[in-house]
Amino acid sequence: GAVVSQHPSWVICKSGTSVKIECRSLDFQATTMFWYRQFPKQSLMLMATSNEGSKATYEQGVEKDKFLINHASLTLSTLTVTSAHPEDSSFYICSARGQLDRFSYEQYFGPGTRLTVT
Amino acid sequence: GQNIDQPTEMTATEGAIVQINCTYQTSGFNGLFWYQQHAGEAPTFLSYNVLDGLEEKGRFSSFLSRSKGYSYLLLKELQMKDSASYLCAGMDSNYQLIWGAGTKLIIKP
Repeated sequence: GAVVSQHPSWVICKSGTSVKIECRSLDFQATTMFWYRQFPKQSLMLMATSNEGSKATYEQGVEKDKFLINHASLTLSTLTVTSAHPEDSSFYICSARGQLDRFSYEQYFGPGTRLTVT
Repeated sequence: GQNIDQPTEMTATEGAIVQINCTYQTSGFNGLFWYQQHAGEAPTFLSYNVLDGLEEKGRFSSFLSRSKGYSYLLLKELQMKDSASYLCAGMDSNYQLIWGAGTKLIIKP
């Protein structure tokens, strides 16, 4: 099956600093990548959707200037949490999807990045 | 509006069968997904249904009724490792996944 990697798997940073999380599709071309956030005991919350070479589409309530998303290639998307604060501490998960056709609507998830802001 | 409903928590016994229900309302419909998520880990794909009926995959089966906006995930011969959250997600007309809050399944010996 398709493999998506995420790096780092966990990070601790100080309040006010920025953190970059990478999401890579290892064996397929990811036309679309999704970034999710999940707080403890809650479901996935979609933050933004990005298509390769285009600006990301952010969900309502997600600050695009705070969560910078770059999808520069078909295998790499990055999420940068700028000026992180303790309330940004969460589990960030990316997923990737290839070209849409009737056989491939599935999103393949990365292993997630646990961010702790102190 | 778009909405996915599923029970918050269920308990079952090792070796038994459990059915996790999900009702959905989406703007357009391009299929229904089930994912498994163990605590602290990312979701893993279990099944995808776009046509009515039952799809069986080993110990796991998934059912869809589009007319009723209803799906269920059936887990047979439960094992302790099946303790996890099970996420139901409907795909809307824009191919976006609308996620349910997840059902936490607790397996007891």
